[in-house]
Amino acid sequence: EIVMTQSPATLSVSPGERATLSCRASQSVSSNLAWYQQKPGQAPRLLIYGASTRATGIPARFSGSGSGTEFTLTISSLQSEDFAVYYCQQYNNWPPSITFGQGTRLEIK
Amino acid sequence: QVQLVESGGGVVQPGGSLRLSCAASGFTFSSYGMHWVRQAPGKGLEWVAFIRYDGSNKYYADSVKGRFTISRDNSKNTLYLQMNSLRAEDTAVYYCAKDRLVYGDYPYYFDYWGQGTLVTVSS
Repeated sequence: EIVMTQSPATLSVSPGERATLSCRASQSVSSNLAWYQQKPGQAPRLLIYGASTRATGIPARFSGSGSGTEFTLTISSLQSEDFAVYYCQQYNNWPPSITFGQGTRLEIK
Repeated sequence: QVQLVESGGGVVQPGGSLRLSCAASGFTFSSYGMHWVRQAPGKGLEWVAFIRYDGSNKYYADSVKGRFTISRDNSKNTLYLQMNSLRAEDTAVYYCAKDRLVYGDYPYYFDYWGQGTLVTVSS
């Protein structure tokens, strides 16, 4: 099983500043990586797929990068609505499997 | 607009069974793979199962293999999860989620999610 490790577990950032979240895979997943945002009491929302492609309706301040085993989600200028938990997810075609990172909680500093 | 509405959650004793349903609308259900994803209280996300758009292939997480069965009825635009031999560690909110790729052969990622249904396994 491919293990996804996110860091840090909690990130404290002030509104207007940049946030950088990391995700590492235990083996290469190529660019088969997605990022999700989840707010309390809500279902997750797709932000990024293919490691760097923004999903429909996602603001340009969200960007993804990386390939292989190291990935980054960057939020360029934090808005109040961005404080949430963020998950990375790999989708490996063979054997077919999906695993999530444990999440990074982005909180207001 | 895409809607996914789960139902069937509740309290069940260890060793018991439960069947979840997910009613889909707003897209061509028969063209997309579908997933179940769960989230234990206060914990992260765990993928549970995937079924191909035509129901011909199914994939499961190791933690539920042999106990859970995913199925679909494309004539009713409905996804199901039959859960048997339930354990305390199966307690979670279960989400139904749509795969983004049309006619995908394998699980990819999720572009729409339902609001979830809570399953509690407790005596």
